[in-house]
Amino acid sequence: NAGVTQTPKFQVLKTGQSMTLQCAQDMNHNSMYWYRQDPGMGLRLIYYSASEGTTDKGEVPNGYNVSRLNKREFSLRLESAAPSQTSVYFCASRETHSSYNEQFFGPGTRLTVL
Amino acid sequence: DQQVKQNSPSLSVQEGRISILNCDYTNSMFDYFLWYKKYPAEGPTFLISISSIKDKNEDGRFTVFLNKSAKHLSLHIVPSQPGDSAVYFCAASAQSTNAGKSTFGDGTTLTVKP
Repeated sequence: NAGVTQTPKFQVLKTGQSMTLQCAQDMNHNSMYWYRQDPGMGLRLIYYSASEGTTDKGEVPNGYNVSRLNKREFSLRLESAAPSQTSVYFCASRETHSSYNEQFFGPGTRLTVL
Repeated sequence: DQQVKQNSPSLSVQEGRISILNCDYTNSMFDYFLWYKKYPAEGPTFLISISSIKDKNEDGRFTVFLNKSAKHLSLHIVPSQPGDSAVYFCAASAQSTNAGKSTFGDGTTLTVKP
């Protein structure tokens, strides 16, 4: 039982390049989320998916797109990377009827855009 | 406007003493509050939560207190241990909204000195 996995762990891009961050969970959770964390700040929600087949914008969606490929996988795409997107990206999942309402996080992807 | 605020970026306590981490929120719609713990280079992990119908929840050395009238919650760790040194994030959500989205504070870095 791996929980939430993310690939890659590290990535360096040049301005204007594109890339996709992958996330998968094996807990059969309905909801999945993408966050970014900048130094000294909390986690800010980029996009989320309440269930398979649905996606919605979070607090900071500009410059990103997402795909909920199936119940397990939720990917985040940067079409044209900018230095302002240098951050650590976390994927999370949650069971809809959780007793504690908690989210389970992956280990993160550290992205640098030059 | 930040809806969840952790006004102390850092806290240092002696091993065996009590650690008190504070969190304030502004949105009256929030009715579920969570604390997460984060070690460097790892994703956040769920620690403890409380719903708005309670004013206290305890789990071992960790207790969360909620003061709804003041829109304030606190996490007490007793006794503090060196392994508790981490960044602690407060998060809040409104159960009535979809997908269990959470809003996070900026975090408090706790250092427990041996």
